[in-house]
Amino acid sequence: GAGVSQSPSNKVTEKGKDVELRCDPISGHTALYWYRQSLGQGLEFLIYFQGNSAPDKSGLPSDRFSAERTGGSVSTLTIQRTQQEDSAVYLCASSLAVNRVYTEAFFGQGTRLTVV
Amino acid sequence: TQLLEQSPQFLSIQEGENLTVYCNSSSVFSSLQWYRQEPGEGPVLLVTVVTGGEVKKLKRLTFQFGDARKDSSLHITAAQPGDTGLYLCAGEKSSSNTGKLIFGQGTTLQVKP
Repeated sequence: GAGVSQSPSNKVTEKGKDVELRCDPISGHTALYWYRQSLGQGLEFLIYFQGNSAPDKSGLPSDRFSAERTGGSVSTLTIQRTQQEDSAVYLCASSLAVNRVYTEAFFGQGTRLTVV
Repeated sequence: TQLLEQSPQFLSIQEGENLTVYCNSSSVFSSLQWYRQEPGEGPVLLVTVVTGGEVKKLKRLTFQFGDARKDSSLHITAAQPGDTGLYLCAGEKSSSNTGKLIFGQGTTLQVKP
């Protein structure tokens, strides 16, 4: 498809287990974002990748959270030793951050993570 | 501290009423965007404003970028139940050279029939 694709769409995991969330951005988009959204809340910034630059990890809530972006395309967000407070929708977005005036972000449908 | 402050955070109105949502900052932005998110979906871009003082209209929605490019507003005329959703403003700081978009915390709008 032409849009941002996230998988899985839903994930239920036991407390203490590790999870990996995947994001396939729009082909050619140089920038990729991960956000977390709790029920009824706004977007909490997690991490930002832009081209070959060092990622902006300033939003990661703890060292249990990490993300990689391989080959400037697909990204994986990993949460180790999951806790119940990690339950949320994890949204990925990509943008073409070449013309910095029009950095429109295209979002995926999100992964709903439930830690039980 | 939230770089982009949205107000109000929650708004519940009757169909046919008008409303305005505000997005404010102490920083200058090169552009401001408004997104709408419906339940179970990702946010979708509504509009981008670039020039200070710019006004854009999208049917019953009017978007304005402040003269100093530090704030923006979204006005909805004669709201309808289909306008219900989470409205998010986002922008890139003028001082940024990374292309990173900063999002506000959102305004949840409920329009009752």
